[in-house]
Amino acid sequence: KNEVEQSPQNLTAQEGEFITINCSYSVGISALHWLQQHPGGGIVSLFMLSSGKKKHGRLIATINIQEKHSSLHITASHPRDSAVYICAVSDNTGNQFYFGTGTSLTVIP
Amino acid sequence: DAGVIQSPRHEVTEMGQEVTLRCKPISGHNSLFWYRQTMMRGLELLIYFNNNVPIDDSGMPEDRFSAKMPNASFSTLKIQPSEPRDSAVYFCASSPNTGGYNEQFFGPGTRLTVL
Repeated sequence: KNEVEQSPQNLTAQEGEFITINCSYSVGISALHWLQQHPGGGIVSLFMLSSGKKKHGRLIATINIQEKHSSLHITASHPRDSAVYICAVSDNTGNQFYFGTGTSLTVIP
Repeated sequence: DAGVIQSPRHEVTEMGQEVTLRCKPISGHNSLFWYRQTMMRGLELLIYFNNNVPIDDSGMPEDRFSAKMPNASFSTLKIQPSEPRDSAVYFCASSPNTGGYNEQFFGPGTRLTVL
């Protein structure tokens, strides 16, 4: 049983398309994190949120605590957005972390 | 700031050898995390420290794995003896405050291959 489930596992989009990646979790959380891992391997934290919505450039992250669900949206997608996007949650204690298996995104020019 | 620094970036060793991975967190950060990433299991938290104290090591796979943080600017992850199934990328991350509700900053990772 995975505490964090992501969908889709793989996603291919045309440049300019609007992209949505979903994350569902089964534990009570203190925060949800969206991470980006580029083909070179480096991991970057995109968002950390515990309620509502956050926006950074073309990226938007939302969370619905009641439904235990979060979405990561990318507007006007670009080939440089191609990466693996990982959803992670820290539980109510803040001491346990659970990771999704990642969504591999490829944006085609 | 240079960010989180890990060394070595690549390590190839033979089964049975001791391996030591090193991490220097961002100055002033109070939490440090060790992760392992494999194709099969994805990203897994191994252990993390708050103010140099290990808080949760339940993710450490076996007694062959040990981690220390002797001071606020240095941590090691040791595997002894190493086995081929330990081959993975090991990431270190640091966070400015304690608790899981703070942004983490990741190092570049150490790619370990055990032959």
